[in-house]
Amino acid sequence: GAGVSQTPSNKVTEKGKYVELRCDPISGHTALYWYRQSLGQGPEFLIYFQGTGAADDSGLPNDRFFAVRPEGSVSTLKIQRTERGDSAVYLCASSLRGGTPTGELFFGEGSRLTVL
Amino acid sequence: SQQGEEDPQALSIQEGENATMNCSYKTSINNLQWYRQNSGRGLVHLILIRSNEREKHSGRLRVTLDTSKKSSSLLITASRAADTASYFCATDGGSNYQLIWGAGTKLIIKP
Repeated sequence: GAGVSQTPSNKVTEKGKYVELRCDPISGHTALYWYRQSLGQGPEFLIYFQGTGAADDSGLPNDRFFAVRPEGSVSTLKIQRTERGDSAVYLCASSLRGGTPTGELFFGEGSRLTVL
Repeated sequence: SQQGEEDPQALSIQEGENATMNCSYKTSINNLQWYRQNSGRGLVHLILIRSNEREKHSGRLRVTLDTSKKSSSLLITASRAADTASYFCATDGGSNYQLIWGAGTKLIIKP
């Protein structure tokens, strides 16, 4: 597609449930990032993929969070045993090459997760 | 943790006026970026300024960077109602893949 696509746009779940959020980056972009944004705050880094591998997962808050990118394109962020504090907008971004320093990122519209 | 701090937190001006937003950060950087976010939408890249640049222009946008003060400003000239959005600065933090973001300035343009 022309831009970064994220599904679902909204997800409401109950505490303790498992959730998957999907990101389809811009075609040809090798770098993919997940960020999390709480209301009134800037994005918070979660994980960075270069190709299929997670080059930096230092932002994942705990082992309930996991992300994959098996074919170097679509990525899935997986959250186990969801907690109310996980409620946020999960943003996916891609860039053409990645690496450091991080340059222009192209963001999706986000997946709003609400944990009841 | 957030590195950048935008100032002011909120700004309301009349259409046609200029809007200035400031960003301060804490560590050395390679570049600084500004993004816009409309309510409920994703972030859109506006401009990137490298640490060896002092000023950069893009259309009605002018960005300055003062690395000695660890600060940047974003000026939007001749504001329009469509400029209503939140504006964020993001820095690369110097050595890793993360962008570190401030909490943003909420800009409201009154028609």
